[in-house]
Amino acid sequence: DAGVTQTPRHEVAEKGQTIILKCEPVSGHNDLFWYRQTKIQGLELLSYFRSKSLMEDGGAFKDRFKAEMLNSSFSTLKIQPTEPKDSAVYLCASSLGGADTEVFFGKGTRLTVV
Amino acid sequence: GDSVTQTEGLVTLTEGLPVMLNCTYQTIYSNPFLFWYVQHLNESPRLLLKSFTDNKRTEHQGFHATLHKSSSSFHLQKSSAQLSDSALYYCALTGGYKVVFGSGTRLLVSP
Repeated sequence: DAGVTQTPRHEVAEKGQTIILKCEPVSGHNDLFWYRQTKIQGLELLSYFRSKSLMEDGGAFKDRFKAEMLNSSFSTLKIQPTEPKDSAVYLCASSLGGADTEVFFGKGTRLTVV
Repeated sequence: GDSVTQTEGLVTLTEGLPVMLNCTYQTIYSNPFLFWYVQHLNESPRLLLKSFTDNKRTEHQGFHATLHKSSSSFHLQKSSAQLSDSALYYCALTGGYKVVFGSGTRLLVSP
């Protein structure tokens, strides 16, 4: 079975650019998460979808971050406009949903904003 | 809402010494699931172990943890640290409808 697939693996953007990160969850999973990972803040939840419906969108990230899930097998995270402080690893994860389910993470996209 | 607290940001140990990483949680749900995830360098987090049962020890890959509902704790332990245990460890909770992760503890094991 394919795991969570994220593209691109690396992205370099200039300040002010718009970038779109992509994620394909594990087939059949109902829950999809976008996290930002930094050494200082750890895992920060950006967005959470259940069965394609947005359940949480991580309040502090609302203004420039937008995640969408157009179908059950594909999600995007748009950052517009990018700022240098957005430099981080962005992780997409999915799970079946429910209390006892394991979360599977993608390999992440490392974003550098210059 | 649900929350997970990992008090240590960094734990440094010498190989062979015991490991204990702290995790406490808050939830209004009486039957939460607790998880430990491990993330090695240049990899993504993956599940290490999980538990649902109060006061029952769960083991995997040499690590163990016991869920104590009375103290809302789920500490991760290992009897003897190995160099390969150096990684970032996240404690996580599912009480209601979604998983909540702690801030993570980096374990560095030196020779």
